[in-house]
Amino acid sequence: AQSVTQLGSHVSVSEGALVLLRCNYSSSVPPYLFWYVQYPNQGLQLLLKYTTGATLVKGINGFEAEFKKSETSFHLTKPSAHMSDAAEYFCAAYKTGTASKLTFGTGTRLQVTL
Amino acid sequence: DAGVIQSPRHEVTEMGQEVTLRCKPISGHDYLFWYRQTMMRGLELLIYFNNNVPIDDSGMPEDRFSAKMPNASFSTLKIQPSEPRDSAVYFCASSLGGRDGYTFGSGTRLTVV
Repeated sequence: AQSVTQLGSHVSVSEGALVLLRCNYSSSVPPYLFWYVQYPNQGLQLLLKYTTGATLVKGINGFEAEFKKSETSFHLTKPSAHMSDAAEYFCAAYKTGTASKLTFGTGTRLQVTL
Repeated sequence: DAGVIQSPRHEVTEMGQEVTLRCKPISGHDYLFWYRQTMMRGLELLIYFNNNVPIDDSGMPEDRFSAKMPNASFSTLKIQPSEPRDSAVYFCASSLGGRDGYTFGSGTRLTVV
């Protein structure tokens, strides 16, 4: 079965520092991959997605993610953290043939400090 | 498009009462998903529909929970009778298919006292 692993349930960075949130998937066939962000008291919002083609995907708010098939990873990065980036981030995967269900990771809460 | 619309945003009810949560998916999306989110259990898929037909309800915790989708623009999640452990945020999401990802609503925060 498809699984998505997010390393680190909590990540803390200083404002202006690099943000790196890790996501690994388990699949012999590269799935479609997504990152969602959830701000307090809001629903999940799509940050970016990887389908096919270019392995470096750019999303909203300066975030990007790189698909690495050899490492089965899809880590999310942002060069310079801002206080407004504090939120929970979910990685998700869709594998064809799984009836359109996304498999979500358990989430990583990002804290940004001054 | 106004996105996925859920109502109410907040619901406080007494134990034993019936609770109905509502969702309007994005027009044209043929998949609809109901999720529950709690601190302890994270994000849980309860049930999902394709073309108004329930496809997988294995995540529905108990018979007290039921969901319907009478047409392409409306779905309900009902809890009867409600219990304090049902307190959570319930999300509805819609999609054109897995490869497009989901669009989530803003959620309904349910508190059962």
